[in-house]
Amino acid sequence: EAQLLESGGGLVQPGGSLRLSCAASGFTFSSYAMSWVRQAPGKGLEWVSVISGNGGSTYYADSVKGRFTISRANSQNTLYLQMNSLRAEDTAVYYCAKGGRGVYNSFDQWGQGTLVTVSS
Amino acid sequence: EIVLTQSPGTLSLSPGERATLSCRASQSVSSNYFAWYQQNPGQAPRLLIYAASSRATGIPDRFSGSGSGTDFTLTISRLEPEDFAVYYCQQYGTSPFTFGPGTKVDIK
Repeated sequence: EAQLLESGGGLVQPGGSLRLSCAASGFTFSSYAMSWVRQAPGKGLEWVSVISGNGGSTYYADSVKGRFTISRANSQNTLYLQMNSLRAEDTAVYYCAKGGRGVYNSFDQWGQGTLVTVSS
Repeated sequence: EIVLTQSPGTLSLSPGERATLSCRASQSVSSNYFAWYQQNPGQAPRLLIYAASSRATGIPDRFSGSGSGTDFTLTISRLEPEDFAVYYCQQYGTSPFTFGPGTKVDIK
């Protein structure tokens, strides 16, 4: 069974940077697109970014474009999200989610999330 | 960006009743790339329905999805205690892959 485990969350000041990681197991990581989805406290889900299985295609929400970078290390079964120029409105639980063999797929497995708090 | 609107915001029902949740898209969803997720408090979302009407692995058959184009429906035929949760719709046919604001199904 697929398992996803996020790490790297924490408290960061506005304007700071943070890198999230998502360790995957139980499936052929390189064959599947992966996404990041976030959820601000008490709010709904917001899709952040997706990356194809080989890393060749990436897409971003407008709210993070130019500040966040999604990447993956298939040899290490790990997904990343580099977050720069962080703002208070980026405060959220960040989930990694497994997609399908193409980027245009639903998310059939989710991690438990890691909390990012942007505050001075 | 495709905006998804869910109705109602809250649905108050009793166990055993039928729940009908709606989601409307601001433009047609490409190839019916449309999903429904369930989220319980403090937990990660769980995929229920993909491709508008296909049940995900392990999802009971009391959950069903229908619709196409801009109008989609999730139906829970008979509510079980564990079904009281928040439900989100999502389109994944056009980037950005947007979610609806959610419908909370609570116990009447």
